[in-house]
Amino acid sequence: GAVVSQHPSRVICKSGTSVKIECRSLDFQATTMFWYRQFPKQSLMLMATSNEGSKATYEQGVEKDKFLINHASLTLSTLTVTSAHPEDSSFYICSASGTTRSSDTQYFGPGTRLTVL
Amino acid sequence: AQSVTQPDIHITVSEGASLELRCNYSYGATPYLFWYVQSPGQGLQLLLKYFSGDTLVQGIKGFEAEFKRSQSSFNLRKPSVHWSDAAEYFCAVGAGQGGKLIFGQGTELSVKP
Repeated sequence: GAVVSQHPSRVICKSGTSVKIECRSLDFQATTMFWYRQFPKQSLMLMATSNEGSKATYEQGVEKDKFLINHASLTLSTLTVTSAHPEDSSFYICSASGTTRSSDTQYFGPGTRLTVL
Repeated sequence: AQSVTQPDIHITVSEGASLELRCNYSYGATPYLFWYVQSPGQGLQLLLKYFSGDTLVQGIKGFEAEFKRSQSSFNLRKPSVHWSDAAEYFCAVGAGQGGKLIFGQGTELSVKP
């Protein structure tokens, strides 16, 4: 299957700081990337969908000013959690779909564990 | 409204026994259906998918799933479970063409020796 990486895998930060998470498609061009949030023992909650070169589309209830998404190239999307607070602590997972791989299938990254102290 | 239901939150099976994980969906059009597996602290790995054609689809790791339109179901099966299959399993329905996925609540599989 297609390979999607995320960096960092774990991050601990102080309350009030910003954290950037990178999502890369390593062996295909990702025209669309998705960002999810997952709480312990729960399913994935879609936060936003981003298409390369366009503004991200956020799901209802997700603060776009808090969770900044940039999809500047066909292989890279970033999620920046601005002014992070303890309630933002979670497991963030990205996925990607594209034209050179199956455009109808999402391939997931390994996730990033964010802990805000 | 589109939705996916996995009725079983947690299932325990003995190693070597057969497995069936249930998934029911509600979707207006012909669904694209997926099963993903997630190990603790990891991302999701695609097990198999159904878009059209043969309603019995084969996936990786010996898994298969059967699409039953009349029952709005897409149950995942494996004839003989291995200890390494212990994980969280998610069923999802999507709009295709890189569209959004709607996930079920997940089923946690435990395998006892």
